[in-house]
Amino acid sequence: DAGVIQSPRHEVTEMGQEVTLRCKPISGHDYLFWYRQTMMRGLELLIYFNNNVPIDDSGMPEDRFSAKMPNASFSTLKIQPSEPRDSAVYFCASRKAGGWADTQYFGPGTRLTVL
Amino acid sequence: RKEVEQDPGPFNVPEGATVAFNCTYSNSASQSFFWYRQDCRKEPKLLMSVYSSGNEDGRFTAQLNRASQYISLLIRDSKLSDSATYLCVVSYSGNTPLVFGKGTRLSVIA
Repeated sequence: DAGVIQSPRHEVTEMGQEVTLRCKPISGHDYLFWYRQTMMRGLELLIYFNNNVPIDDSGMPEDRFSAKMPNASFSTLKIQPSEPRDSAVYFCASRKAGGWADTQYFGPGTRLTVL
Repeated sequence: RKEVEQDPGPFNVPEGATVAFNCTYSNSASQSFFWYRQDCRKEPKLLMSVYSSGNEDGRFTAQLNRASQYISLLIRDSKLSDSATYLCVVSYSGNTPLVFGKGTRLSVIA
């Protein structure tokens, strides 16, 4: 199994630009999670989907952030416009429904730097 | 109060030492408990689940105290390769997201 795939692995952009992060979950997994990790705040859940439907987006910091899951094999997290405080590592994770929480798998992350 | 609290460390220990990490959680409805390991610039990965009766996996022992809402991880005979950040994680059910602590950083020194 290829595992959770994220792209790009690194992104450097300037303030005000649009950033799109991509995730391909493990095939057959029903849940998809987007997390953000910083030294100050640790690992924060931004939003999660079940069967492509957003379930809880209360962790999305503000309207500049949006996430979509158009099908079971693809999700995007978009930041528009980006700001320096958005610099962080963004992880995508997936899990199969009916499996227990320890079956959650993370992708390698996207390291975002906003200048 | 944070849902899951850990001492951030760092813990700097010599090879062969025994080190213990503690974690407290605020939601008494939490049902499942885990320790994840995160290497520098990598994603978190499951280290071990934590069972009510306590469990051991080689040099690693996890304990749960539901009455005190407290979880621990003990590492015996530390190796250089144990250097990482250890994340305490709780779950309320099989269909809710995991809740992560901010992690405890361990450095094992030769």
